[in-house]
Amino acid sequence: EVQLVQSGSVVKKAGESLRISCKGSGNSFTNYWILWVRQMPGKGLEWMGIIYYGDSETTYSPSFRGQVTISVDRSINTAHLQWRSLEPSDSAMYYCARRKGLAGGAPYFDSWGQGTLVSVSS
Amino acid sequence: QSVLTQSPSVSGAPGQRITISCTGTNSNIGAGYAVHWYQQPPGGAPKLLVFGNTLRPSGVPDRFSGSKSGTSASLAINGLQPEDEAEYHCQSYDRGLSGPVFGGGTKVTVL
Repeated sequence: EVQLVQSGSVVKKAGESLRISCKGSGNSFTNYWILWVRQMPGKGLEWMGIIYYGDSETTYSPSFRGQVTISVDRSINTAHLQWRSLEPSDSAMYYCARRKGLAGGAPYFDSWGQGTLVSVSS
Repeated sequence: QSVLTQSPSVSGAPGQRITISCTGTNSNIGAGYAVHWYQQPPGGAPKLLVFGNTLRPSGVPDRFSGSKSGTSASLAINGLQPEDEAEYHCQSYDRGLSGPVFGGGTKVTVL
């Protein structure tokens, strides 16, 4: 069974930098795309970006392009989501997920991390 | 504002059938892209429930069924059970945004 384990909850101040992680068990990331989504309190899921584990090809949502950086470290089977300068509006739950494949032309995600709660104070 | 539109909440008594709708546009669902559904229990992570409009991953009860028509899709839950109380999210692909898009989620309450 594929397991994605995310780094723990974090409390930061506005202006600080942050990197959160998503570690896959075994070779669960090899040849897969990894998605990052944001879920603000009481809201739906928002696609932030998706990265191919094999060559780090990345597509960002227009809403998040330039605001975050997504990367992978293949030596430790881990994907990262990074901010250079946090804002209070970045306070949310963040999930990573593995793209299993395409069905009907649309990607679908079969394994999800447990989520990382980010809280940013002013 | 989510790209796909879902009703905020649906409720039903145990044993009842409920349906959750998901409406898109000609850039996503209406363009022919399939719809997938995820179940998110309170305080938990999303879990894949239905993919490719109608397919269920191994282990998902056949009480859950999906359908799609035009620019909309639906998830039906037959024989509603207390453990079905959760948030349900639809997801597709948008060719204008070149990425996956989600609905705002529907909270299902079992009365």
